[in-house]
Amino acid sequence: QKEVEQDPGPLSVPEGAIVSLNCTYSNSAFQYFMWYRQYSRKGPELLMYTYSSGNKEDGRFTAQVDKSSKYISLFIRDSQPSDSATYLCAMSPDNYGQNFVFGPGTRLSVLP
Amino acid sequence: ETGVTQTPRHLVMGMTNKKSLKCEQHLGHNAMYWYKQSAKKPLELMFVYNFKEQTENNSVPSRFSPECPNSSHLFLHLHTLQPEDSALYLCASSQAGAIYGYTFGSGTRLTVV
Repeated sequence: QKEVEQDPGPLSVPEGAIVSLNCTYSNSAFQYFMWYRQYSRKGPELLMYTYSSGNKEDGRFTAQVDKSSKYISLFIRDSQPSDSATYLCAMSPDNYGQNFVFGPGTRLSVLP
Repeated sequence: ETGVTQTPRHLVMGMTNKKSLKCEQHLGHNAMYWYKQSAKKPLELMFVYNFKEQTENNSVPSRFSPECPNSSHLFLHLHTLQPEDSALYLCASSQAGAIYGYTFGSGTRLTVV
């Protein structure tokens, strides 16, 4: 079983739709959860982060963590064509970058 | 630019060539990382440097050789690569122990022919 699983997509939605992106994981030691956005020909950029369980909201983006189910989600409201990118989830048991584990990414296309 | 600059952006090399990738960060970070990103695969951590000292080498073949002369610069020296080494190589930096400030460069797209 892979440590972090993520549907690779591609996922295509119309502009204005609510998008749900998800990752599942197997290591119950993960405490830090992050979402990165990667545009074509660019490196990943940090979008959202949460510690332990719960929800976090930032503008049109909401991150949810359900540690009991080992499941994390990123919701995008009122999606825009500029949201078209690959979304990577990442998680870590501690605060050290070398212990990050990334998902393979979901490619999202928001159609105008 | 994000504060982490990688050169070159694209590189095509033969299997017998020797080349180097360069990474420079202007963020005052003290940890730097090399990652490999292949299509439909998770990012693979290759090397970690904390305060210029290598602290992680994730079973990377010896044809990849990192160098960190100071906390702002990181190199990846390449020699006798294989076609399966073709990938996007990403450099990242952070304050050691502060994962939320992790910043990636735009990467070098490497093609081995």
